[in-house]
Amino acid sequence: NAGVTQTPKFQVLKTGQSMTLQCAQDMNHNSMYWYRQDPGMGLRLIYYSASEGTTDKGEVPNGYNVSRLNKREFSLRLESAAPSQTSVYFCATDRGLGSGANVLTFGAGSRLTVL
Amino acid sequence: LAKTTQPISMDSYEGQEVNITCSHNNIATNDYITWYQQFPSQGPRFIIQGYKTKVTNEVASLFIPADRKSSTLSLPRVSLSDTAVYYCLVGAKAAGNKLTFGGGTRVLVKP
Repeated sequence: NAGVTQTPKFQVLKTGQSMTLQCAQDMNHNSMYWYRQDPGMGLRLIYYSASEGTTDKGEVPNGYNVSRLNKREFSLRLESAAPSQTSVYFCATDRGLGSGANVLTFGAGSRLTVL
Repeated sequence: LAKTTQPISMDSYEGQEVNITCSHNNIATNDYITWYQQFPSQGPRFIIQGYKTKVTNEVASLFIPADRKSSTLSLPRVSLSDTAVYYCLVGAKAAGNKLTFGGGTRVLVKP
């Protein structure tokens, strides 16, 4: 039982390159999230998916796209990376609405550097 | 969305009790209050959750007054390993699942 798995753990890109961060969960949770955390700062919500087939913008969606491929997988794509997107990206899951409360389970993070 | 406000940082010493207060004036009726702990280079992890009054587990206690406009996380007898950032999160059920974090409180435990 791995929980929330993120790949890759580390990535270095050049400005303008594209890449996709992958997130997979085996907890059968409905909701999935992507956050970014800049050095010394708090977590900011990029996109989230309340359930399979739906996605919504968070606080800082510009420059990103997401895909909720199925219930298990939620990917984050950078189409044209910029140095301002250098950050640690965390994927998280939650049981979702109707469960009475929100308890997030986080992955280990993906550290992205854009040169 | 219930915005949260926490102190930026707190210092303590080993063996002391640490209390971190989070303000959430716009909390909705169905919202729960959840606290997370984050160590460097790791994702946050769940500590405790409550709706009202007091909740206690093996790690911490959570005190929530009757008006629910604030909450206090209490860490008893801290050790060096409790040095971390602590986040208060209020479940935004009214807005779907848009869960946004505040800035967190950086707790430094000194020997």
